Amino acid sequence: DTEVTQTPKHLVMGMTNKKSLKCEQHMGHRAMYWYKQKAKKPPELMFVYSYEKLSINESVPSRFSPECPNSSLLNLHLHALQPEDSALYLCASRGSGAYNEQFFGPGTRLTVL
Amino acid sequence: LAKTTQPISMDSYEGQEVNITCSHNNIATNDYITWYQQFPSQGPRFIIQGYKTKVTNEVASLFIPADRKSSTLSLPRVSLSDTAVYYCLVGEGVGNQGGKLIFGQGTELSVKP
Repeated sequence: DTEVTQTPKHLVMGMTNKKSLKCEQHMGHRAMYWYKQKAKKPPELMFVYSYEKLSINESVPSRFSPECPNSSLLNLHLHALQPEDSALYLCASRGSGAYNEQFFGPGTRLTVL
Repeated sequence: LAKTTQPISMDSYEGQEVNITCSHNNIATNDYITWYQQFPSQGPRFIIQGYKTKVTNEVASLFIPADRKSSTLSLPRVSLSDTAVYYCLVGEGVGNQGGKLIFGQGTELSVKP
């Protein structure tokens, strides 16, 4: 199974809502990533988890809160977002294969009203 | 992390060979060069990775000169389905699962009939 799944596929939320994005992989990868991608722009790194511990936070605002409950799951908790946070949120995992390449999920399209 | 520079866009016709060059003047000794492909509203997909000289797989070839300050992704006989954005990444490759991978601006390839 070389798939990274993300739920939900689409999410619309108000600025006062609390919601969560979920990412799952069963490839045994021990590194998981969150990226944010705006239209016509490259993916922008947000967080990296390595062996279930947060190893990189690219100065992301605290209204985004990542969580890695176990080696297969990665969550991104959202609270008090702004309309400019509307974007495609991509999750990726990375293992110890021949190329150490990242496997990306299909993303969650988030709209903040 | 080494910064990458690619052409913003390229046009081609079906059946032609396409070469996309990426410049990475500040590449470090332990950096690998990786290329990803991304279709609209999907996560990026790994194409090929190399360290030096030439690498070929069933999809593409990657040419890396001796000084490693640039690399060229070669797509043989492109089809309409190769229309996508292609990203060149330079960063910690094999052996560092949780390392940073930063996307450059990408090259938007448009293949016409």
